[in-house]
Amino acid sequence: DSGVTQTPKHLITATGQRVTLRCSPRSGDLSVYWYQQSLDQGLQFLIHYYNGEERAKGNILERFSAQQFPDLHSELNLSSLELGDSALYFCASSVASGAPYNEQFFGPGTRLTVL
Amino acid sequence: AQKVTQAQTEISVVEKEDVTLDCVYETRDTTYYLFWYKQPPSGELVFLIRRNSFDEQNEISGRYSWNFQKSTSSFNFTITASQVVDSAVYFCALSEDNYGQNFVFGPGTRLSVLP
Repeated sequence: DSGVTQTPKHLITATGQRVTLRCSPRSGDLSVYWYQQSLDQGLQFLIHYYNGEERAKGNILERFSAQQFPDLHSELNLSSLELGDSALYFCASSVASGAPYNEQFFGPGTRLTVL
Repeated sequence: AQKVTQAQTEISVVEKEDVTLDCVYETRDTTYYLFWYKQPPSGELVFLIRRNSFDEQNEISGRYSWNFQKSTSSFNFTITASQVVDSAVYFCALSEDNYGQNFVFGPGTRLSVLP
């Protein structure tokens, strides 16, 4: 158990809908990262938040947005869902004081299925 | 643009054999970070190592070792005396800054260790 929790574990929804994925980092970790893993695109980095502020953006679509709250949990919002958004979404956390990528701890992932 | 190549799609070895997973990267930056991640059949992602471009020392952690060679833009991963539990997909990744800017994963190498 990495200490990172993600909810829900599975999500099935329809095209055009909007969903929110939630991530709670390990206690004390300030950085949260989101990744997407799909059969077509492989593993992709989406976005990195540090202590509530966005630090880096990867291949995150405009239909997707994220935020990190004062209690450091993060949410990834996916809207106007398309079939191609079906994927496993991971979040990870790290301590991130000075060297934010020193070690990341991953949650179990949320499997999103868009029908 | 940055790129990570893992030419070996699948590798099978017999337990106790040594195995090397290749990773070749492309970047124009002089400062960058390289990573290896493991994804066992259970699906979770496990962070293995992070290396910055100024640290070319090879690293050993138990049965795992990493060989970073800037001259050939490679960051290879060797498992010594492989075990069945090493069976997983291994991903190499590159980030062009400390926060995840221009972070790309390789396509992964599926390692099967047979008893």
